[in-house]
Amino acid sequence: NAGVTQTPKFQVLKTGQSMTLQCAQDMNHNSMYWYRQDPGMGLRLIYYSASEGTTDKGEVPNGYNVSRLNKREFSLRLESAAPSQTSVYFCASSEAAGDRNEKLFFGSGTQLSVL
Amino acid sequence: RKEVEQDPGPFNVPEGATVAFNCTYSNSASQSFFWYRQDCRKEPKLLMSVYSSGNEDGRFTAQLNRASQYISLLIRDSKLSDSATYLCVVNSDGGSQGNLIFGKGTKLSVKP
Repeated sequence: NAGVTQTPKFQVLKTGQSMTLQCAQDMNHNSMYWYRQDPGMGLRLIYYSASEGTTDKGEVPNGYNVSRLNKREFSLRLESAAPSQTSVYFCASSEAAGDRNEKLFFGSGTQLSVL
Repeated sequence: RKEVEQDPGPFNVPEGATVAFNCTYSNSASQSFFWYRQDCRKEPKLLMSVYSSGNEDGRFTAQLNRASQYISLLIRDSKLSDSATYLCVVNSDGGSQGNLIFGKGTKLSVKP
């Protein structure tokens, strides 16, 4: 059972380059999320998609765009990468955002470095 | 903002010890609470939910104190494999979507 799969695992970009992080889940979850994790910081929500066809900004959306391609897939795009976007990115999914007992399942993460 | 606060540690304990972590939260309207475990360079994984009446899962016990706005995690008979960072997670508003707030984590190191 794959769970949440995200690619790539590692990426190095130059300032100004663009890239898309891919995420797919096979648990038939309605909600999907993108977080970033920086040293000394808790996970911070970038964007989420409560259900197919909807996306909403999280705590730190600037510099990112997302696409909920279908129920399974949720991608994160950096249009013009900046060194401040150097981070570890995690995709996650849950059965339903807003559910009091919402439990997240995470992908294995993408280590992104922007030079 | 400091909505969820944890002692970063590290907590260095010998095998077999009992260790406890606390986590405080600022929003009194918070509805649900969780502990996640994160191994070095790995993704967070749900350890347990925290229920109002307190709950236990093997060597792990979680408790909620709404009056003082904190949750706790107690680990008994620590194992080497318990070494990890423990993340406190609070859903600040059960009716809002995407509103899980993560603490920065408490690092536990269990030594032989």
